[in-house]
Amino acid sequence: QKEVEQDPGPLSVPEGAIVSLNCTYSNSAFQYFMWYRQYSRKGPELLMYTYSSGNKEDGRFTAQVDKSSKYISLFIRDSQPSDSATYLCATPRGDSSYKLIFGSGTRLLVRP
Amino acid sequence: EADIYQTPRYLVIGTGKKITLECSQTMGHDKMYWYQQDPGMELHLIHYSYGVNSTEKGDLSSESTVSRIRTEHFPLTLESARPSHTSQYLCASSDRDSVVYEQYFGPGTRLTVT
Repeated sequence: QKEVEQDPGPLSVPEGAIVSLNCTYSNSAFQYFMWYRQYSRKGPELLMYTYSSGNKEDGRFTAQVDKSSKYISLFIRDSQPSDSATYLCATPRGDSSYKLIFGSGTRLLVRP
Repeated sequence: EADIYQTPRYLVIGTGKKITLECSQTMGHDKMYWYQQDPGMELHLIHYSYGVNSTEKGDLSSESTVSRIRTEHFPLTLESARPSHTSQYLCASSDRDSVVYEQYFGPGTRLTVT
């Protein structure tokens, strides 16, 4: 079983839709959770991070962690064509290192 | 915008050639990473450096080698390229003082071995 799992998509939505992107993880010791966004032909960039459970909002983006079900989500409100990218969830290993475990990414396409 | 650079961006090379992928960062970060990414697959860590003269292998076995002689420079070398090495290679760095484990990525090198 992979430590972080993510539906690869692609997910295609019309402009203005609410998008829900999800990951599951296997190790209950994981505490930090991050969402990276990767545009085509570019490296990933950190979009948001959360610590432990709960929600965190940043503009049109909301990150949510449910530790009881080991489920993390990223919601995008009023999606825009510029949101079209691959979204990767990530978490530090938990062994006091700075190494990250990445999901395989969900490709999102927002149609104008 | 992250100041981390990778060259070349694209490389097509024949089997058996020696190649070096360059990675440089101007942020003074102590930690640097090399990842391999295939389409639709997760990033796999292949090399990691804590600082100058400190490198270790990552999770994914790789025939490549790295060196860290200067803080800002972390090149990756393949002594004899093979078609199985065809992939995207991403370099990243992070700051020891970052509490969010943020890694800054370069744009990647897309390697094709024919």
